[in-house]
Amino acid sequence: AQSVAQPEDQVNVAEGNPLTVKCTYSVSGNPYLFWYVQYPNRGLQFLLKYITGDNLVKGSYGFEAEFNKSQTSFHLKKPSALVSDSALYFCAVRDTGTNAGKSTFGDGTTLTVKP
Amino acid sequence: DAGITQSPRHKVTETGTPVTLRCHQTENHRYMYWYRQDPGHGLRLIHYSYGVKDTDKGEVSDGYSVSRSKTEDFLLTLESATSSQTSVYFCAISGPAGLNTEAFFGQGTRLTVV
Repeated sequence: AQSVAQPEDQVNVAEGNPLTVKCTYSVSGNPYLFWYVQYPNRGLQFLLKYITGDNLVKGSYGFEAEFNKSQTSFHLKKPSALVSDSALYFCAVRDTGTNAGKSTFGDGTTLTVKP
Repeated sequence: DAGITQSPRHKVTETGTPVTLRCHQTENHRYMYWYRQDPGHGLRLIHYSYGVKDTDKGEVSDGYSVSRSKTEDFLLTLESATSSQTSVYFCAISGPAGLNTEAFFGQGTRLTVV
């Protein structure tokens, strides 16, 4: 079975400060890991993914995430937050040992960036 | 945006009635998914499809059925709607490789069961 935990329901940061949104996962095989963002009344949009290779992954809008196998984590980061980054963020995992590419999503973290 | 369209976008229905939601894609992707989004629960997988007429259950499939007779269409049916099925429903597609490709989501269908 695969699972994802986003331990923080809410993250608040000031504009210009670095931000981190946390994600930990559990899989039986090797993970494929994804981050998505959701703006109000919209579907989820893909931000970045880790499949293999470099543990530091860069994605859209200046976001990056670091895969840490020993800590089973895939935290989302950005060096300097913008007010427009305020949204709901989801981490997702796929176990490479399963079929059909089923993803399991975390419960989401609401990021609020204040001016 | 990926070519994925959900219809209807909003629906209010009465308890006990059947409801069908449609997901249409123009990307020719193999995998299609139906999720529901509820506060405090994130996205939960209802059913998914890995090809025409190939479907399987997700984690919250009770009370739902699906059909995929064509690559481009994936239908979700609530056989007899209940108030607990009030939710926002999202369709997603991924492929062609499936496992290592990200999902693209539709705009969602807000369903209210009264």
